[in-house]
Amino acid sequence: AQSVTQLGSHVSVSEGALVLLRCNYSSSVPPYLFWYVQYPNQGLQLLLKYTSAATLVKGINGFEAEFKKSETSFHLTKPSAHMSDAAEYFCAVSEGFTGGGNKLTFGTGTQLKVEL
Amino acid sequence: DGGITQSPKYLFRKEGQNVTLSCEQNLNHDAMYWYRQDPGQGLRLIYYSQIVNDFQKGDIAEGYSVSREKKESFPLTVTSAQKNPTAFYLCAAGRGPEYEQYFGPGTRLTVT
Repeated sequence: AQSVTQLGSHVSVSEGALVLLRCNYSSSVPPYLFWYVQYPNQGLQLLLKYTSAATLVKGINGFEAEFKKSETSFHLTKPSAHMSDAAEYFCAVSEGFTGGGNKLTFGTGTQLKVEL
Repeated sequence: DGGITQSPKYLFRKEGQNVTLSCEQNLNHDAMYWYRQDPGQGLRLIYYSQIVNDFQKGDIAEGYSVSREKKESFPLTVTSAQKNPTAFYLCAAGRGPEYEQYFGPGTRLTVT
């Protein structure tokens, strides 16, 4: 079974500082990986996804992530944090179902706090 | 404006009552999903449906039921058998494994 580990349930950074949110995955096949962001009492919004085309993936709002197969990692970064980045971030790995569709297995999430 | 709608946003019920959460999509995706979210636990899959009139149990299906009579609609019923129903429920729709799932805004259910 696939799994995702997000190290650090809470991360705090200063505005303008580097954001680094960690994600490690376990998968028996080449994975499809996703990062989602969730603001309070809202649904999840896709930040970026890795589908084997390129190891460095750029997403919305200045976020990017690098797929490292040797480390089974897919860490999320942003060079300069903004107050509006404060939210919860989820890493997920996808596996397909026979007949279509897919199952997303989520990490437990990382709450990002941005301080002045 | 394409997307997924869930209603209501907040729902309050007494223990022992069944309650149905609505999920509608206009993305024309075949697959739809229900997740439950609890603090510190991420999202867990309750049920999914890959096509109309077909659905399968996810990881935590006990105490829940679904139907898929139309491509656009995938309602979730939280039955009185669900021991701890208070949670945030998210509906999603998607295509294959390399594609993202699109999420609705969620329904927060409180059972007292």
